[in-house]
Amino acid sequence: EAGVAQSPRYKIIEKRQSVAFWCNPISGHATLYWYQQILGQGPKLLIQFQNNGVVDDSQLPKDRFSAERLKGVDSTLKIQPAKLEDSAVYLCASFSSGSAYEQYFGPGTRLTVT
Amino acid sequence: GDSVTQMEGPVTLSEEAFLTINCTYTATGYPSLFWYVQYPGEGLQLLLKATKADDKGSNKGFEATYRKETTSFHLEKGSVQVSDSAVYFCALTRPRGQNFVFGPGTRLSVLP
Repeated sequence: EAGVAQSPRYKIIEKRQSVAFWCNPISGHATLYWYQQILGQGPKLLIQFQNNGVVDDSQLPKDRFSAERLKGVDSTLKIQPAKLEDSAVYLCASFSSGSAYEQYFGPGTRLTVT
Repeated sequence: GDSVTQMEGPVTLSEEAFLTINCTYTATGYPSLFWYVQYPGEGLQLLLKATKADDKGSNKGFEATYRKETTSFHLEKGSVQVSDSAVYFCALTRPRGQNFVFGPGTRLSVLP
């Protein structure tokens, strides 16, 4: 089966610009996560979707970050405006409820804000 | 809130040495526990998991036992190989996959 797809793989922007990341989870996986992984740290959960509804967005900086999963399949994460501290790898993951919460991760998008 | 603590890295071992990476967690109830691995230039992948107390997860020669009494999930391997060089993350989640929390990661380097 195809894995979790993400694009772009790399993005360089200037501070105050906007950027969007796209994720397509594994087919049939109802749960989708976005994580932020700053260099040298573990992934930090930003938002969790169940189908097209938000389950947890308590750590999403909502003044600048937004995410949607309109049809319960692919998802978009946006940052507007970006700050220097947003430089990180943004990871998307999905799982099926029948897999004992085993997440499958995409390759990530490396964002550099200058 | 829930949290995961891992031993500080980097850890450097010689090939065939015994490996232990400590992981302790803080959470109420009975979370599921995981070890994920990130090989150089690759994405995160699940190494092993345990979903209830006293369960032992194992894969590729790695093992970890869910210890409720000590809130620990230490990763062990009897004989490491150069190919085990990677960053290892301990993680937990609530029922229904809510609130995944990762530790900071431990970098392992295995020398030939």
